[in-house]
Amino acid sequence: DTEVTQTPKHLVMGMTNKKSLKCEQHMGHRAMYWYKQKAKKPPELMFVYSYEKLSINESVPSRFSPECPNSSLLNLHLHALQPEDSALYLCASSQGYRVASTDTQYFGPGTRLTVL
Amino acid sequence: TQLLEQSPQFLSIQEGENLTVYCNSSSVFSSLQWYRQEPGEGPVLLVTVVTGGEVKKLKRLTFQFGDARKDSSLHITAAQPGDTGLYLCAGLSRTNDYKLSFGAGTTVTVRA
Repeated sequence: DTEVTQTPKHLVMGMTNKKSLKCEQHMGHRAMYWYKQKAKKPPELMFVYSYEKLSINESVPSRFSPECPNSSLLNLHLHALQPEDSALYLCASSQGYRVASTDTQYFGPGTRLTVL
Repeated sequence: TQLLEQSPQFLSIQEGENLTVYCNSSSVFSSLQWYRQEPGEGPVLLVTVVTGGEVKKLKRLTFQFGDARKDSSLHITAAQPGDTGLYLCAGLSRTNDYKLSFGAGTTVTVRA
């Protein structure tokens, strides 16, 4: 099973709202990732968690707050977003970040976020 | 500057024709993946190649990894409308601290 699940599938929020995106995997992977993807562009890395600790923050604004409650779950808390934050948010997982140079990332179906 | 240069950006062909997508870099990659993505969905892994000169086949899709592990290609034989999508190459390289580097993507449209 190489499935990564994400909820919700779609999210519409105002600029003053607080919402959370959720991601789950049961492949025993120890690295989990958040990406942001604009239409017809490749995904852009936001955060990397390795063994439930934040390893990489690609200078993401603080209105995005990641959380890794356990090795299977990854959340992205959203607060005071801007319309330009509207995008497809993708979660991915792999065996381990920088553990094996041949590691493969598996992506979830994404959450389509619209900020009004 | 992108680590992986992917070409062409767009490809529109008739059903039954063949197509090739290229991914090139000046950096060495320890592994390279090809993904296919449909609008509003996440990238779906097609293949991972790790050995220089490796060739992998997945039904009508053939993937090659260059001998020097700096380039890769995806060839589709007898394309079908179901092959329509965004094709992304991505790889792990020491140059990018083993964060996944993506090509810009190739939008493939197969007309019935």
